[in-house]
Amino acid sequence: DAKTTQPPSMDCAEGRAANLPCNHSTISGNEYVYWYRQIHSQGPQYIIHGLKNNETNEMASLIITEDRKSSTLILPHATLRDTAVYYCIVPGGHGGSQGNLIFGKGTKLSVKP
Amino acid sequence: EAQVTQNPRYLITVTGKKLTVTCSQNMNHEYMSWYRQDPGLGLRQIYYSMNVEVTDKGDVPEGYKVSRKEKRNFPLILESPSPNQTSLYFCASSPLRTSGPTYEQYFGPGTRLTVT
Repeated sequence: DAKTTQPPSMDCAEGRAANLPCNHSTISGNEYVYWYRQIHSQGPQYIIHGLKNNETNEMASLIITEDRKSSTLILPHATLRDTAVYYCIVPGGHGGSQGNLIFGKGTKLSVKP
Repeated sequence: EAQVTQNPRYLITVTGKKLTVTCSQNMNHEYMSWYRQDPGLGLRQIYYSMNVEVTDKGDVPEGYKVSRKEKRNFPLILESPSPNQTSLYFCASSPLRTSGPTYEQYFGPGTRLTVT
């Protein structure tokens, strides 16, 4: 799996946009970028994924650079409930273990009032 | 409501006493998987199943067993639990495409297991 690098923590004011960066410089041409979040020991929650085009859904937007070496997850109007650890994942072949999501350390986002 | 359920949510047990953690999904997903989460180690895959009667080892299968007799259920069995299996366990499911399982996975709420 391509390795990802994320800042360990970020703060964001409630109501403002939260922009979470991720570097994945070794990503290959057919590998997608996935984002998950985990709210305090709850089950991880899928947010969004993309290949090369920007993507948007009801939770967030995903901006992928043209060279695909980095991406940014955008929560347009962060709320206190968005406080969580956010994981950027580039899954790919992992030997024989299919469907294996490799969660790194992620970014702990703290949304403050 | 589409969901993955796990039972029990919390369990304290003693070394060597066999236990089963159940996982059930109501989305007709073919793919199911078990992870454990430990501080500093992230989530690690224990076992996965591509469909009924098809299971395979993940990254940390030692000390665990699974079965997949029905599509909706994927129980995790610890035949002789040890303290190093104290962890937070998550079950996940996803549909299966022709290229394999998707990575849009639904996770259960977790089971916190303590083995003394």
